[in-house]
Amino acid sequence: NAGVTQTPKFQVLKTGQSMTLQCAQDMNHNSMYWYRQDPGMGLRLIYYSASEGTTDKGEVPDGYNVSRLKKQNFLLGLESAAPSQTSVYFCASSYDLGGDGTEAFFGQGTRLTVV
Amino acid sequence: QQQVKQSPQSLIVQKGGISIINCAYENTAFDYFPWYQQFPGKGPALLIAIRPDVSEKKEGRFTISFNKSAKQFSLHIMDSQPGDSATYFCAAGGFNKFYFGSGTKLNVKP
Repeated sequence: NAGVTQTPKFQVLKTGQSMTLQCAQDMNHNSMYWYRQDPGMGLRLIYYSASEGTTDKGEVPDGYNVSRLKKQNFLLGLESAAPSQTSVYFCASSYDLGGDGTEAFFGQGTRLTVV
Repeated sequence: QQQVKQSPQSLIVQKGGISIINCAYENTAFDYFPWYQQFPGKGPALLIAIRPDVSEKKEGRFTISFNKSAKQFSLHIMDSQPGDSATYFCAAGGFNKFYFGSGTKLNVKP
């Protein structure tokens, strides 16, 4: 049981390049999330998905796009990378059935540097 | 507007002491308040969580105190150990959406 798996773990991009961060979960969770973590700012929600085929904006969606074509996968895209997008990105998932099902499980993170 | 405010930013505690981290939230619709623990190079992991219908929850050395009227909640780590040294995040939210505090870096000295 792998939990939440993110690829790649590290990435360096040049300004203006595009890339997709991949996230897969094997817990049959309904909801999935993308967060970015910056020093002193905690985790900020970029996008989330309550179910397969649906996505919604979080706190900091500008410059990103997402897709959830399959229940187990949630992709985060950067169309034209900017240095301000240098961060550690975390994917998470949760059941959202209420009670303890609300717990979010996180991946190991992707450290992205845009030069 | 910052939905969840966390303090202090860093904390140094002697082994065996009590570590206290505080959080305040804005939205009264929030109904789930988890605390996450993060070690360097790892993703956050759920430590303990509380719902607003109780004022306190204890799991081992970790206790959440919740004050609904003040919109505040705190994490107490009793008998703090060097292995507790990590960054702690509070969060608040509900179905599908959570907002995190800025984190507290805890250093427990032997």
